[in-house]
Amino acid sequence: QQQVKQSPQSLIVQKGGISIINCAYENTAFDYFPWYQQFPGKGPALLIAIRPDVSEKKEGRFTISFNKSAKQFSLHIMDSQPGDSATYFCAARWTSGFNKFYFGSGTKLNVKP
Amino acid sequence: DADVTQTPRNRITKTGKRIMLECSQTKGHDRMYWYRQDPGLGLRLIYYSFDVKDINKGEISDGYSVSRQAQAKFSLSLESAIPNQTALYFCATSVKGFGELFFGEGSRLTVL
Repeated sequence: QQQVKQSPQSLIVQKGGISIINCAYENTAFDYFPWYQQFPGKGPALLIAIRPDVSEKKEGRFTISFNKSAKQFSLHIMDSQPGDSATYFCAARWTSGFNKFYFGSGTKLNVKP
Repeated sequence: DADVTQTPRNRITKTGKRIMLECSQTKGHDRMYWYRQDPGLGLRLIYYSFDVKDINKGEISDGYSVSRQAQAKFSLSLESAIPNQTALYFCATSVKGFGELFFGEGSRLTVL
């Protein structure tokens, strides 16, 4: 049973468009929600993260929207660029002294020039 | 040089063989993890370790074992590899109390 459900599996966006990736979770014990970006041949790297006490966090062209009541969060990439083409993973951290994360299934983003 | 180094980067082996994937880090982090990545399944936690004396099973530990030889070294072993263990394996580190995971570049394992 997947703790964090992510959609879509793949996404094609034109340069300059908005890319939106959605995630949902059930467990209210999760206390931290990061997004990781992975380029081919590389390991995932932290892109942006949010805590459940805020509804939105923005860093440059990347924004996380968080809906605690709906148990959903999403990544918005504004003005998408070909260099944003990568696989994106949402994740949720189990509340504990240990950083135990559950990851979504990933979204492969292709931004066409 | 990478902060989290995995060896080998690619390995092809046969069913029944013993395989070890190694991870070393220069970040000085106390926490280390092994994840497995499969298409459509994302990243799943195999084992994690607080420190040298603390090893914990993750979501999918069956068929795997680990060894934390030192604060900076964490190895994953497949005692008798099987084809459905064909996957991309990642080592990661983090510090206590902070949310970010730092991943290595991955070890691609193919079991024939």
